[in-house]
Amino acid sequence: GQSLEQPSEVTAVEGAIVQINCTYQTSGFYGLSWYQQHDGGAPTFLSYNGLDGLEETGRFSSFLSRSDSYGYLLLQELQMKDSASYFCAVDQTGANNLFFGTGTRLTVIP
Amino acid sequence: GAVVSQHPSRVICKSGTSVKIECRSLDFQATTMFWYRQFPKQSLMLMATSNEGSKATYEQGVEKDKFLINHASLTLSTLTVTSAHPEDSSFYICSARAGDTSPLHFGNGTRLTVT
Repeated sequence: GQSLEQPSEVTAVEGAIVQINCTYQTSGFYGLSWYQQHDGGAPTFLSYNGLDGLEETGRFSSFLSRSDSYGYLLLQELQMKDSASYFCAVDQTGANNLFFGTGTRLTVIP
Repeated sequence: GAVVSQHPSRVICKSGTSVKIECRSLDFQATTMFWYRQFPKQSLMLMATSNEGSKATYEQGVEKDKFLINHASLTLSTLTVTSAHPEDSSFYICSARAGDTSPLHFGNGTRLTVT
């Protein structure tokens, strides 16, 4: 089978740094993506890792370790608007769709 | 960037009626589109893969006769929820990729409420 595990909830203070972990177990792996979804809205693409290492995009960074089947999303200088759900998603070899993790609800507090 | 448009954003219908949801890729051609369903505070569950010019591929447990998918052109896929029941009430989201390795671009979703 396939599974992606994320913490269900995380709370952090405005201005702080938070890391959301994702461990995966899939048949075939091409890359790991991260999506943000605000309540009532559609997911929006944040970051993608096809190779091991860190990808940085502004305040957001994402990391992948293929050997550990593990990745994380790092959010720096947290803002209130970052309160949302964050999903990791696996791109499987041979498949065109993404398999989404369980999602992490981030709450940023003043 | 790639844009996916989904309509309607919200629909309320009576039990037993059918509802059609449209998904359009506005600035790229999509031979494949994906339909997801999301219950409150849960993850996105892939329902089916819509293939232009051929039959959709449904995920296990999704009734193909209940959730009719048509992908008549390279920019339009429709999902019809037939004989809707209250348990079909959910958030339905379509998505597409501009290329094989490009990110998924999502429509804004359709909140379906069946009364």
